Amino acid sequence: KAGVTQTPRYLIKTRGQQVTLSCSPISGHRSVSWYQQTPGQGLQFLFEYFSETQRNKGNFPGRFSGRQFSNSRSEMNVSTLELGDSALYLCASSFYSGDTGELFFGEGSRLTVL
Amino acid sequence: GQQVMQIPQYQHVQEGEDFTTYCNSSTTLSNIQWYKQRPGGHPVFLIQLVKSGEVKKQKRLTFQFGEAKKNSSLHITATQTTDVGTYFCFSGGYNKLIFGAGTRLAVHP
Repeated sequence: KAGVTQTPRYLIKTRGQQVTLSCSPISGHRSVSWYQQTPGQGLQFLFEYFSETQRNKGNFPGRFSGRQFSNSRSEMNVSTLELGDSALYLCASSFYSGDTGELFFGEGSRLTVL
Repeated sequence: GQQVMQIPQYQHVQEGEDFTTYCNSSTTLSNIQWYKQRPGGHPVFLIQLVKSGEVKKQKRLTFQFGEAKKNSSLHITATQTTDVGTYFCFSGGYNKLIFGAGTRLAVHP
């Protein structure tokens, strides 16, 4: 079966712009979680959605937001981009909630903010 | 808040040597998972440990979960160049999904 699909794979934005990233989970998975990966900070948890409800949230400013649709596809949005937002954004899907089930990761969306 | 500390940050070994990475938590964990990320790739699930004192093996990899469920280790016997990558521990619970900082393994042939 198809894996987790993230789009776009690469994007370049300038400071102050906003960006929307998309994640399509494995069919049947209801949990989608998002992570920011940078060389200095490792994998930082952003938020998790389960059946369209935000279940968990990490310690990121309100500029980072997300949502999940009825088909389990998820989007995350970052507004007023800063240079420090440059990172690889990974989403992971899971059949169960993220704290109990195996996470299946997408290839990631690499964001560069100039 | 809940934290998972992982050490070492880097490990360079000669092919055939053993390798171990450790994760320690300040609080009791409900479970712990291990992931491997190859250079340029995404994290891939290796295993999940749930029970106190649990030990699981996958070929040359041995995973342990501490008796108090506050620490875990991943041991690789006789490393190979295919073991290169970053190994992460991961734990969910208390409304947070937390990865350890990762241990980057380099294997020299």
